[in-house]
Amino acid sequence: EAQVTQNPRYLITVTGKKLTVTCSQNMNHEYMSWYRQDPGLGLRQIYYSMNVEVTDKGDVPEGYKVSRKEKRNFPLILESPSPNQTSLYFCASSVAGGRTQYFGPGTRLLVL
Amino acid sequence: ELKVEQNPLFLSMQEGKNYTIYCNYSTTSDRLYWYRQDPGKSLESLFVLLSNGAVKQEGRLMASLDTKARLSTLHITAAVHDLSATYFCAVPDSSGTYKYIFGTGTRLKVLA
Repeated sequence: EAQVTQNPRYLITVTGKKLTVTCSQNMNHEYMSWYRQDPGLGLRQIYYSMNVEVTDKGDVPEGYKVSRKEKRNFPLILESPSPNQTSLYFCASSVAGGRTQYFGPGTRLLVL
Repeated sequence: ELKVEQNPLFLSMQEGKNYTIYCNYSTTSDRLYWYRQDPGKSLESLFVLLSNGAVKQEGRLMASLDTKARLSTLHITAAVHDLSATYFCAVPDSSGTYKYIFGTGTRLKVLA
């Protein structure tokens, strides 16, 4: 089944404790992206990647890191999480930039 | 800076009625995407509009794009309860990158 998977789906952590949210797609998509969703703000793009080793900042990249070492994986790293990073995070992928995106199930993060 | 505005933000309507959701954006773009999000779920693609005057229809939903007016509409015909969801439009950043800006979403509730 073609899909985008994210792990974990739910995470509670404390301020400053490094964490990684994984994202993987099995559709051989070139483009991958991370978004956060907050009430009243819609989705805001954090980072995106056009292909392996090619990443670029979205609208709200501060406090996040990404890497794209393999085509199928695009992990989101929070080196020192803070409470304002409490949010619902979505990973998405598409065949190429400019095409419709397929979204993962979401990761709900709470930073205490 | 590209801004994407949707209105209304909330819409409660009776089954069988027609209504239109509007998506305005502030800079030139020849592409626009509509997504649907059911409560507690991820996003799924509804329409991709790729040129001025593009019109797409799927069931009771019809989307159109006017790039000169920087406006897209999502028209709902004879609403049914199953259409209750949040609808987002998204526009690629005009700088030629594949950064996306989403609207804040329109939460639609169709009352039986």
